[in-house]
Amino acid sequence: QKEVEQNSGPLSVPEGAIASLNCTYSDRVSQSFFWYRQYSGKSPELIMSIYSNGDKEDGRFTAQLNKASQYVSLLIRDSQPSDSATYLCAVTDNYGQNFVFGPGTRLSVLP
Amino acid sequence: GAVVSQHPSRVICKSGTSVKIECRSLDFQATTMFWYRQFPKQSLMLMATSNEGSKATYEQGVEKDKFLINHASLTLSTLTVTSAHPEDSSFYICSADSPEAFFGQGTRLTVV
Repeated sequence: QKEVEQNSGPLSVPEGAIASLNCTYSDRVSQSFFWYRQYSGKSPELIMSIYSNGDKEDGRFTAQLNKASQYVSLLIRDSQPSDSATYLCAVTDNYGQNFVFGPGTRLSVLP
Repeated sequence: GAVVSQHPSRVICKSGTSVKIECRSLDFQATTMFWYRQFPKQSLMLMATSNEGSKATYEQGVEKDKFLINHASLTLSTLTVTSAHPEDSSFYICSADSPEAFFGQGTRLTVV
């Protein structure tokens, strides 16, 4: 049984700070890793994907992957109130199927 | 990115009736689509994998006779909730296969 774990939060950070979101997974064969943002009542939207160890940056977002530790994180720099949402971590196998989602971390950016 | 359109966005139905939800891939062909259910303050739970031209694969605990899935073409999958009950009220979301999961807008089902 594949498992993806995240702290449920809420994680509160002040505006302008760095928000750090963490995710661990149990299946060592997982190959692809994704971060989604979900606003209340809306469906998830893809923020970042990462496939190899190391850091991947896209604007204010940085994804970090460590396959040896089975750990993937998302850093949000210069956090804005509009970043307040639930962030879902997802992992999948090499074939792009069998998505498994974490429970999500609720982030609150305080003005 | 790929666009997945889901319809309707909201539906209210009476207990015992059936509701059909459509999921369309607008700019690509989706061999596989996924149907999720999300209860308030919970994460996405995969219900079933819809395969074009063949039977859907249901996750453990999901009643295939209650949640009918049809994937008749490479751009359309439908989920029909049959004999809906209030406990079926939830947020239903589809996604289409691609390296990343692109989600439809979701359907908020309320059974009264």
